[in-house]
Amino acid sequence: EAGVTQFPSHSVIEKGQTVTLRCDPISGHDNLYWYRRVMGKEIKFLLHFVKESKQDESGMPNNRFLAERTGGTYSTLKVQPAELEDSGVYFCASSQPVVAGTKNIQYFGAGTRLSVL
Amino acid sequence: DAKTTQPNSMESNEEEPVHLPCNHSTISGTDYIHWYRQLPSQGPEYVIHGLTSNVNNRMASLAIAEDRKSSTLILHRATLRDAAVYYCILRDVAGYALNFGKGTSLLVTP
Repeated sequence: EAGVTQFPSHSVIEKGQTVTLRCDPISGHDNLYWYRRVMGKEIKFLLHFVKESKQDESGMPNNRFLAERTGGTYSTLKVQPAELEDSGVYFCASSQPVVAGTKNIQYFGAGTRLSVL
Repeated sequence: DAKTTQPNSMESNEEEPVHLPCNHSTISGTDYIHWYRQLPSQGPEYVIHGLTSNVNNRMASLAIAEDRKSSTLILHRATLRDAAVYYCILRDVAGYALNFGKGTSLLVTP
């Protein structure tokens, strides 16, 4: 079974440009999450999708960040325009539909390292 | 979610048991205790979780204090591959987001 896949693994862009990160969750996982770790800080939650709906986007830092999950499969996270402080590693995770008694384990991708110069 | 406190770092010899502590004195009755770890250059990885009783799986054991204000992740025989940052995370039964703190950086030496 394929794990969570993120693309690209590394992106280097200039301040003011646009970048789109992609996440392919594990097949059948309705829940999809985005997290990020910026330089020197802890891993922080950004948002949570259930299928194509945004369940919780309380961690999105500002309106330069736009996440989508059209059709409830893969997700994209767009940063427009990118700023220097957006540099860091962006992780995607997915988990199974929540059924009473299930563990709701989150499976993470390897992350996309974003460098804004 | 309630906060957790972990030592910044710990060191272990290979093939020795490792006990990673976590304090969570403000834990609520509906908080599960989750442990994840992050190996170098990888995303976080689930290790184990529990509510009240001690738990065992193929990766580790989780010992939970009777008052649930602390817990200990036990790696029975540390290997070099276990060198990682270990995160103790409290998550409400109805919650989804994981609140990663600073974690404990585990160094395993041959």
